[in-house]
Amino acid sequence: GAVVSQHPSWVICKSGTSVKIECRSLDFQATTMFWYRQFPKQSLMLMATSNEGSKATYEQGVEKDKFLINHASLTLSTLTVTSAHPEDSSFYICSARDQHRGYTGELFFGEGSRLTVL
Amino acid sequence: AQTVTQSQPEMSVQEAETVTLSCTYDTSESDYYLFWYKQPPSRQMILVIRQEAYKQQNATENRFSVNFQKAAKSFSLKISDSQLGDAAMYFCAYREGAQKLVFGQGTRLTINP
Repeated sequence: GAVVSQHPSWVICKSGTSVKIECRSLDFQATTMFWYRQFPKQSLMLMATSNEGSKATYEQGVEKDKFLINHASLTLSTLTVTSAHPEDSSFYICSARDQHRGYTGELFFGEGSRLTVL
Repeated sequence: AQTVTQSQPEMSVQEAETVTLSCTYDTSESDYYLFWYKQPPSRQMILVIRQEAYKQQNATENRFSVNFQKAAKSFSLKISDSQLGDAAMYFCAYREGAQKLVFGQGTRLTINP
């Protein structure tokens, strides 16, 4: 199956700093990537849809100035948590759709990134 | 907005037995996809099975099968011959076209040896 890689897998930062998480599709091109947030023992909540070459579409209640998303190429989307605070601590997961497979309805997920803000 | 409901926060089953996880969803669309994902302790999301709404035949993948009731908007997952490696969180998910996945709350499945 297609491979999506996230980096870093675990990051600890101080309150007030910014953290960037990368999501790469390793063996396919992805015009669209999705960023999810998952709190412990809870489900995945969609934060935003990342579109290559255009602005991301944010879900209601997600601060776009807080969570900056950039999708500069067909294989890379980044999520930057700006001025991080302890309440931003969470597990962030990206997923991507292979635009050349035809529509199968399947998204491929990264391994996730655990953010801890001290 | 589409919603997905998993009413069983936790389930347990004896090894080698069969277990069924429930999922219901709400939509006004006729064409969509339904999925079951498995999330083991590693947190990596793994696709278990997929069902296209236009297909009447229930999807099957080895020990995993679904009971898709379109009129009732129900999509349950049956795991046969449960194995210890099946222990995980299971999420039911809905997707319309090339749009986002909407996940249910999840069911934690425990396999008792």
